[in-house]
Amino acid sequence: GAGVSQTPSNKVTEKGKYVELRCDPISGHTALYWYRQSLGQGPEFLIYFQGTGAADDSGLPNDRFFAVRPEGSVSTLKIQRTERGDSAVYLCASSPIPRNAGANVLTFGAGSRLTVL
Amino acid sequence: QKEVEQNSGPLSVPEGAIASLNCTYSDRVSQSFFWYRQYSGKSPELIMSIYSNGDKEDGRFTAQLNKASQYVSLLIRDSQPSDSATYLCAVKELASNTGKLIFGQGTTLQVKP
Repeated sequence: GAGVSQTPSNKVTEKGKYVELRCDPISGHTALYWYRQSLGQGPEFLIYFQGTGAADDSGLPNDRFFAVRPEGSVSTLKIQRTERGDSAVYLCASSPIPRNAGANVLTFGAGSRLTVL
Repeated sequence: QKEVEQNSGPLSVPEGAIASLNCTYSDRVSQSFFWYRQYSGKSPELIMSIYSNGDKEDGRFTAQLNKASQYVSLLIRDSQPSDSATYLCAVKELASNTGKLIFGQGTTLQVKP
């Protein structure tokens, strides 16, 4: 698509429930990133995919968080047993193949705002 | 110590003035530096990138990088009310071959008419 698409734009859930957030990256972008942004803070890295594999999941806060990208395009971030502290905007970004020595321009989606009551 | 630090502000400047936004980073081998602008309720959008020491100009925006001092700044000339937003500094480390960016907390800029 023309841009990074994220759904849902807003999700309200109850503590303990399971949530899935979807990201559809820019067509042809092989790199996909998930970030989390809390109010008044910058985006916090969660996980990076190069193709279908998670090349770096060092930012996932705990084992309640999991993400997949089975066909190398759309990605789903899954949160189990949600907690109130999970409330944030979840941002997805994509880029062309990153080059070690150079720039890597991330294009962000509009985000999914998650509220855990 | 945070890896990328910014003053959260708000930084308030009158319309037409120069706004100066600053960022420091802790990893000496950081390689690529980016400034993103984020309007309230919107996603970050890239406005400048810089990789070499010195200045880089693009329209009203100038990015300045000093790797020895681990410091990067963004100057906005002739500030406009439409420049009012949060400006995020982001750093890509040399050791990272994933393209992962580390963001600062952002500086809120208010341009008063």
